[in-house]
Amino acid sequence: QSALTQPPSASGSPGQSVTISCTGTSGDVGNYNHVAWYQHHPGKAPKLLIYAVTVRPSGVPDRFSGSRSGNTASLTVSGLQAEDEADYFCSSYAGSNTPYVFGTGTKVTV
Amino acid sequence: EVQLVESGGGLVEPGGSLRLSCEASGLTVNDAWMTWVRQAPGKGQEWVGRIKSKTDGGTAEYAAPVKGRFTIGRDDSKNTVYLQMNSLQTDDTAVYYCTAERATQIFYWGQGTLVTVSS
Repeated sequence: QSALTQPPSASGSPGQSVTISCTGTSGDVGNYNHVAWYQHHPGKAPKLLIYAVTVRPSGVPDRFSGSRSGNTASLTVSGLQAEDEADYFCSSYAGSNTPYVFGTGTKVTV
Repeated sequence: EVQLVESGGGLVEPGGSLRLSCEASGLTVNDAWMTWVRQAPGKGQEWVGRIKSKTDGGTAEYAAPVKGRFTIGRDDSKNTVYLQMNSLQTDDTAVYYCTAERATQIFYWGQGTLVTVSS
């Protein structure tokens, strides 16, 4: 299974929005509703932002939203704040042989 | 609140062994599917393997690059999961994360522990 493709970087000013794409295949992103997004501040534990393509866990601000079109999932961060500056990566279920594949990661700069 | 704390990383020579530990709080490891994920320098995350919950059989599964060399185990009395790594290669150099699944997604991550395989 190949990694999911993300842009290496994205940026926006405080208050603006940024959207990050995560492109897979019909064998992962396009086939399962098990797509997740994580925020990772270096040295800390990655934090789940979105699961099941669009669902926010309790405690995650509604500034974070997920969507999918075909084999590409997207994460939108609205109303950018300084603390949103971090690495973001996606993940998808990919079947029983290799259950999870991950994105290449996107560094968001605010 | 779920917390996963890894330990045991370090520098090891090629061909050597290392055992990583993951102590959990806020969840019971024998009720969860516990997964190890690694991230090599400059690369994305890679699924390493997992151990199913006791009720789902408690068996372990491994990624092809580590099958036969790595073993995942669990000590229910310590609420801890282990990753025994043998015959380590330079390609195994990575930060290793302990994670917990829920509903076919990885919900919880530890901070990771660095394993460096070098002579």
